[in-house]
Amino acid sequence: EVKLVESGGGLVLPGASLKLSCIVSGFTFSDYWMRWVRQAPGKGLEFIGEIKPDGSKTNYAPSMKGRFTISRDNAKNTLYLQMNSVRSEDTATYYCVRGCTSLFDYWGQGVMVTVSS
Amino acid sequence: DVQMTQSPSNLAASPGESVSINCKASKSISKFLAWYQQKPGKANNLLIYSGSTLQSGTPSRFSGSGSGTDFTLTIRNLEPEDFGLYYCQQHNEYPWTFGGGTKLELK
Repeated sequence: EVKLVESGGGLVLPGASLKLSCIVSGFTFSDYWMRWVRQAPGKGLEFIGEIKPDGSKTNYAPSMKGRFTISRDNAKNTLYLQMNSVRSEDTATYYCVRGCTSLFDYWGQGVMVTVSS
Repeated sequence: DVQMTQSPSNLAASPGESVSINCKASKSISKFLAWYQQKPGKANNLLIYSGSTLQSGTPSRFSGSGSGTDFTLTIRNLEPEDFGLYYCQQHNEYPWTFGGGTKLELK
């Protein structure tokens, strides 16, 4: 069974940094592109970025470049999202997603990040 | 970026009925449109890709149609488990973009 479990969310102050993790199981992690998607409360889904199976390349949505960094540790079956200088508009549920070509075929249940003073 | 616009934003129906959800792209995306279902407490689920291809496990009451800029998700003979949020996503060009969602509610 494919499982993706995010962690590391919570309440964070504006301007702070936060690192989300996603531990996966049920498939060969090192074979797949992995992605992060977020969803602000009551809003739609927003693609953040993706990372190549071997971790050698990352792509980010233009609006996400600069403050977000995606990385992975294939030995630990873990995907990461480093968030820097967070703002109130970063308040959202963050989803870890397996990439299958240009599709998003398996999703985690998401982790909530709230940016507030 | 390709902008995806869904309509309606909200839709109310009863079990047994058929409904359609529309998705419009800001430019042609050929056939490369996917549909996802979102339900509280469950992981998002890929239903359909390439406009009309059902993902493994998607019930046959779901169907997709369209090409170019206009697409439709149709659900026939609604089941209670079909109520939730639906999102379209273009998978023709990077960056991948999603529609704003359609909430299918029980009438």
